[in-house]
Amino acid sequence: GAGVSQSPRYKVTKRGQDVALRCDPISGHVSLYWYRQALGQGPEFLTYFNYEAQQDKSGLPNDRFSAERPEGSISTLTIQRTEQRDSAMYRCASSLAGGGTTNNEQFFGPGTRLTVL
Amino acid sequence: KNQVEQSPQSLIILEGKNCTLQCNYTVSPFSNLRWYKQDTGRGPVSLTIMTFSENTKSNGRYTATLDADTKQSSLHITASQLSDSASYICVVNGGGYQKVTFGTGTKLQVIP
Repeated sequence: GAGVSQSPRYKVTKRGQDVALRCDPISGHVSLYWYRQALGQGPEFLTYFNYEAQQDKSGLPNDRFSAERPEGSISTLTIQRTEQRDSAMYRCASSLAGGGTTNNEQFFGPGTRLTVL
Repeated sequence: KNQVEQSPQSLIILEGKNCTLQCNYTVSPFSNLRWYKQDTGRGPVSLTIMTFSENTKSNGRYTATLDADTKQSSLHITASQLSDSASYICVVNGGGYQKVTFGTGTKLQVIP
């Protein structure tokens, strides 16, 4: 079926506003990951889920960042009281499962480009 | 701390030439290592996946090697094409909860 989708593709917001970024993983994929990518850099891990359970959130920069995946499918990354330094590409990826080398290959979405003015 | 370091940071080569990109990691435990190609403005796309027991794996003109003892990997590109211009990212999976560590990438530019 379709690959990983993210929305919106572009988001421009004013400093201090809250934003919600959505990720729709490949159907049936157990694991979902959020990354932040600065221009010219590799993706920086933020958090990931197995089904609806958030397994690791050690990469979230501070408590303004949160993520949820309430039904084990779609996930939302929320940034409260945005700051200019939050501007980046936010990428989501999903994988079928852990264990095998093929199963845990991550498939990436197109990303949401966030610009905080 | 788990780290993945890539070198060089950037590389310019002539079309048709070969090149080799390096990846050194300190991730432990180790499950597998992947090389991704990321075109500008696009998400990363997997090129190769290798587990602990695999020393080499090819995908067309791309050949990846892995030395699990020294924790080093390389990606060799043969007869480069203009379309190879992209960032190449080494990603190491530590197993367990499928957490992965990304390298910062090598930006390759192939010129005519």
